[in-house]
Amino acid sequence: QVQLVQSGAEVKKPGASVKVSCKASGYTFTSYHMHWVRQAPGQGLEWIAIINPSGGSINYAQKFRGRVTVTGDTSTSTVYMELSSLTSEDTAVYYCARGARYFDLWGRGTLVTVSS
Amino acid sequence: QSALTQPASVSGSPGQSITISCAGTSSDVGGYNYVSWYQQHPGKAPKLMIYDVNNRPSGVSNRFSGSKSGNTASLTISGLQAEDEADYYCASYTTSSTRVFGGGTKLTVL
Repeated sequence: QVQLVQSGAEVKKPGASVKVSCKASGYTFTSYHMHWVRQAPGQGLEWIAIINPSGGSINYAQKFRGRVTVTGDTSTSTVYMELSSLTSEDTAVYYCARGARYFDLWGRGTLVTVSS
Repeated sequence: QSALTQPASVSGSPGQSITISCAGTSSDVGGYNYVSWYQQHPGKAPKLMIYDVNNRPSGVSNRFSGSKSGNTASLTISGLQAEDEADYYCASYTTSSTRVFGGGTKLTVL
């Protein structure tokens, strides 16, 4: 079954970091790019980053550069997104999504709540 | 990179057609035929409806169609049905090799 399974919800304090995982199954992991997208409560979608699991090239949205790190592990078909220096504005559902020019497969999302 | 511009809301009656616009710049929508559209129901992950401006993935109804003129892309839904009520987002590739989404449009089926 082709799917992306994300890690569970997280609650973090301001200033902390969070690392979210996304495990791919049912297809060849290295054949597709993977993106990270977030959605704050009641808000729209916001693109964060893309990684090419084959070769490891990564590109980040300007807004997140210096604060986000995306990595991939081909041995476990898993991609990770770590976001640091969290503030309340980072409270959102974080999605991983497969694809290059478009996103054809999405994870179910990981809720990250930043609260003191 | 600024978000693409979409109307906040559109509405239509069952059976009617509606069109949602997605305005960008020559650095994104206008520069590439890499516009895609997503449908999102409350509490659910987005679903791909249109890719590369006007292509439908397998399983998506042919009531959904896409187009582009200059820096503006459009999604048209014909024969509106109650289940079409959702939020819709456009997305585009950009000259920075990043991606950008529109602000989203809430579709109400009256």
